[in-house]
Amino acid sequence: RKEVEQDPGPFNVPEGATVAFNCTYSNSASQSFFWYRQDCRKEPKLLMSVYSSGNEDGRFTAQLNRASQYISLLIRDSKLSDSATYLCVVNMVNKFYFGSGTKLNVKP
Amino acid sequence: DAGVIQSPRHEVTEMGQEVTLRCKPISGHNSLFWYRQTMMRGLELLIYFNNNVPIDDSGMPEDRFSAKMPNASFSTLKIQPSEPRDSAVYFCATLGQLNTEAFFGQGTRLTVV
Repeated sequence: RKEVEQDPGPFNVPEGATVAFNCTYSNSASQSFFWYRQDCRKEPKLLMSVYSSGNEDGRFTAQLNRASQYISLLIRDSKLSDSATYLCVVNMVNKFYFGSGTKLNVKP
Repeated sequence: DAGVIQSPRHEVTEMGQEVTLRCKPISGHNSLFWYRQTMMRGLELLIYFNNNVPIDDSGMPEDRFSAKMPNASFSTLKIQPSEPRDSAVYFCATLGQLNTEAFFGQGTRLTVV
C-alpha cells in the first residue's frame, strides 16, 4: 500500500466552480502535511501547509482529519490558472512522501 | 539563492550506458531527497540524506542505482547500467532546518533508448 493515496482525476470544471480533492495517508505517526502544485513539465512547488485546525489562503482551504487520516483541499471560484496537478504530501520522520497527484482542468 | 540546481536538464542515453545525475542543494539545507516521477507511479522517494549521510535508501529500485553526497553542496544519482524502464524525470529536493517546505530542482528528464 502506498503511503499517500489520491484520486488521480482528472477533474474537469468550469471557471468559477468549487472543487475539492481528498487524500489519505497510511502512517498515523505522520508529522506534517502539505499540498503542492505541479504545472506541466515543471517541478512541484508548495501551495500550502495543512494544519489540524484547518487553514485558508484566499480561495484555497485545507483541512486535516487525523482520526480518519485524510487531508482535503478546497478551491473556490476556480480560475483557468488553477489548472495543474495537486499533490498531497505527508512528512513521516522527516521524509516527504507524495501522492500521485490529482489533475485539475479548469475550462472557460 | 539560486535554489536547487540539477544537471543535466535532459539526458538521452542508450541502454547499458552509465548515467550520472547531479544536484546542488540550497546552501544551509541539511536534508536532501532524490525522487523519480513517472506517469504510472507518480513521485517515488528513492533516497534521503541528512547531513550528507544516507538515512534511508529503501526506495532505490535495485543495485543498478546508487547515490552519494560527498559534501553538503553536491549529490549524485548514478544508474549503471541504464535500462529503458529507467526513463523518467528525476528530481532532487532539499529541506531546511525547520522542515517546513521541500524545495525542488527543475528535474532531469532521462530517456533511455
